Amino acid sequence: ETGVTQSPTHLIKTRGQQVTLRCSSQSGHNTVSWYQQALGQGPQFIFQYYREEENGRGNFPPRFSGLQFPNYSSELNVNALELDDSALYLCASSSRTRGDQETQYFGPGTRLLVL
Amino acid sequence: KNQVEQSPQSLIILEGKNCTLQCNYTVSPFSNLRWYKQDTGRGPVSLTIMTFSENTKSNGRYTATLDADTKQSSLHITASQLSDSASYICVVSAWGDNNNDMRFGAGTRLTVKP
Repeated sequence: ETGVTQSPTHLIKTRGQQVTLRCSSQSGHNTVSWYQQALGQGPQFIFQYYREEENGRGNFPPRFSGLQFPNYSSELNVNALELDDSALYLCASSSRTRGDQETQYFGPGTRLLVL
Repeated sequence: KNQVEQSPQSLIILEGKNCTLQCNYTVSPFSNLRWYKQDTGRGPVSLTIMTFSENTKSNGRYTATLDADTKQSSLHITASQLSDSASYICVVSAWGDNNNDMRFGAGTRLTVKP
């Protein structure tokens, strides 16, 4: 176990709805990254939060938004859901240091199905 | 075109056999390369991480190699076990001071049969 938890584990929504996914990072970690993983594909970077501020964003539209709280837990919000949003959503926590070998610890993911 | 290509896409081997997974990348400037193991329906778990100056790194029965000149890496699994059945993902980071420049391969799906 990595110490990173995500909720819910599974979720079914319909097109046009909004969804909020949650992530609790590993103790001592101040950085959370969110990824979308379609079936049979590698994870695609959505965005990263460091000390409550967005710190980089991948090629995702503005309807994908996030928050990081003072305790470093995080939320991913997706508005106006589309069928293609169906995927496994992973969050990963890490601790920023001066080096670049920080390891990301992934949560188990939230499986989202949009009908 | 993905900057990290993995091969084969899938692989089936018998328990006890060895196997080697490949990763070719074009990410530049190179910072580090990681191999992750992802069980079905679970998040990826880090196996190894290598920087430019490292050409091999072991973690138990897993040995990763890196040739930064040819931009190739391999993950060798020795004496495979049923629990090795998973997807193995190669992740390459471009130089930067955080983790938001990581490029993920699509993974190799390994199945170990008894």
